[in-house]
Formats: sequence, C-alpha cells, structure tokens
Amino acid sequence: GAVVSQHPSRVICKSGTSVKIECRSLDFQATTMFWYRQFPKQSLMLMATSNEGSKATYEQGVEKDKFLINHASLTLSTLTVTSAHPEDSSFYICSASDPRQMNTEAFFGQGTRLTVV
Amino acid sequence: KQEVTQIPAALSVPEGENLVLNCSFTDSAIYNLQWFRQDPGKGLTSLLLIQSSQREQTSGRLNASLDKSSGRSTLYIAASQPGDSATYLCAVYTNAGKSTFGDGTTLTVKP
Repeated sequence: GAVVSQHPSRVICKSGTSVKIECRSLDFQATTMFWYRQFPKQSLMLMATSNEGSKATYEQGVEKDKFLINHASLTLSTLTVTSAHPEDSSFYICSASDPRQMNTEAFFGQGTRLTVV
Repeated sequence: KQEVTQIPAALSVPEGENLVLNCSFTDSAIYNLQWFRQDPGKGLTSLLLIQSSQREQTSGRLNASLDKSSGRSTLYIAASQPGDSATYLCAVYTNAGKSTFGDGTTLTVKP
C-alpha cells in the first residue's frame, strides 16, 4: 500500500531555534498533504493543508508565519516551526492520499514528537 | 463542519472482558472511517479501515462496524488483554482529503 514517511520521529530543540519536519510520499505523488498536531492528552487537530506549487491553507488559529509549510515537489512537504517555544512542544503528523486510488484513503506518517526546552 | 465524538473518554476493565468503543460523526458524507491505536508518546497504528460502502471489518480480536446513515461506528474488542491498553482514536475521511479525529478513548485492561 501507499506509504508516507515522516522525519525526524523525535526532536529536542532549544527555545528560539527553528525545526524542520519532512513528510514524504514514497511511492506516489501527492499534490496535497495535511499537517496535524496533537497536544498532550488531546486529539489530533488539522493545522494546515499543504498544496504543491502554491501557498498552504491554514486552519483558524494557526499562525502561518510561525509554521512555515513548503510543498516544493509532488513527494515532499516540509513544516518548519520557527522560533520555537516550549508551548510548541507537541506531536506533529502528516497525511497524504494517493490519486491512483482516487484519493479515497489518508495515509499517515509516523509522526514527529517535538520538545522545546 | 464535521465533528467526531468518542464515548467513553476512558474505560478500565479486567482482563478477558469483551468491550465496545463508540464513535459518532455529524456529517455522513465520508469516504471511510478508520480506527487507530496510540500508545503513550507514540504515533498512530492503524487498526481497521471501513470504506463508506462497507458495514464492518474484522481483524483478529477486533471488529469495527459502520452505520453511515446514523453517523456511528463501534469498535469491538474481544477477550481484552493488558497489551490492549492504549488510546483508541477514530477518524473520518472526507472527499476534501482531510481527516477529522475524535478525542479518543483511553483503555486500561487490568491483569
């Protein structure tokens, strides 16, 4: 089946630094990918929709200048958390669907656990 | 706007019991519904995927049903084991490509 790979799985960074998370579709091309985050003891919430070749669409309440999304190719979307603060510590996960399957199923990456100290 | 609710929020049972987790959603225009397991500090493990045209799916001791018209799904776990302890999430997937997750049910199976 289709596979989505996310890297890194875990990252610890200092407050004020930036962190980049990669999401790759390994055996299909995805014009759209989705980024979610999960705060401790909460469910996953959609952050933004990453669109290949155009600007990302952010959900209400998500700062686009803080969470930079770049979907530069049909197999790669990146999420950069800029000037990270401890409150950005969270679990981030991406998903994509396979157009060969008529986009009928979402495939999720392994997730990235970000800890900002 | 799609909303997904899971009941109960937490459940504690002795080993060996059969149990049912519930998931409801407000908009029946879905492509599929998926049940995940999430262990503390870990990612998502897909358990069962039910397409909108299907009524149920089974894998081992797990059985998931879907009633799209009423906006409900159940996950049945037979003969529960301590290793089943985790948070169980359901998510509905729509033609917009987005998934909407419930808040999860945290299951504890006591030896």
